[in-house]
Amino acid sequence: SAVISQKPSRDICQRGTSLTIQCQVDSQVTMMFWYRQQPGQSLTLIATANQGSEATYESGFVIDKFPISRPNLTFSTLTVSNMSPEDSSIYLCSVRQGSTEAFFGQGTRLTVV
Amino acid sequence: AQRVTQPEKLLSVFKGAPVELKCNYSYSGSPELFWYVQYSRQRLQLLLRHISRESIKGFTADLNKGETSFHLKKPFAQEEDSAMYYCALSGGGYQKVTFGTGTKLQVIP
Repeated sequence: SAVISQKPSRDICQRGTSLTIQCQVDSQVTMMFWYRQQPGQSLTLIATANQGSEATYESGFVIDKFPISRPNLTFSTLTVSNMSPEDSSIYLCSVRQGSTEAFFGQGTRLTVV
Repeated sequence: AQRVTQPEKLLSVFKGAPVELKCNYSYSGSPELFWYVQYSRQRLQLLLRHISRESIKGFTADLNKGETSFHLKKPFAQEEDSAMYYCALSGGGYQKVTFGTGTKLQVIP
């Protein structure tokens, strides 16, 4: 299993600013994923982050808006850039090691005002 | 493309009644199917996966490749089963997990 800690757990931000969300895992994992869960919606994958390579973004998400870092096998960050109210959402970090289940952080609840 | 469909946004049942949460998928290959659950104020967690063929908290799910379905069932609902349930699909190890839209299960006392 994997225990994931996300910081911050919640934040209220002004439009036009950026927020960086941190994801720390208690073990080394190959694959880390970032999801967004908008109010009343399901989880939408933003990107896959593998250590030592560029993140792979899903359709509709771009690196300029959601830059991701993956400096090592236990840590990743997601930045939400130039925020607008439409970015208000829960952002979730997830990890998977091979054919195991996916484990999730507790999420970061972002409100943009 | 991989897609997961959960037709019901909300399912209300009485305590002790049977529960069936529907899930259909689209995937060109042999998928891994999961059910995840999110209880109030808790993080998303795995309930069960098709390859383990387990019964967790009384829930079972059978993969039907002919109907491309992975419905979640429980013979007798309990109040503590009230939660959000997500069906999910992966293409295999080291692959992303795609989630359905979720079904909120409400068990009425």
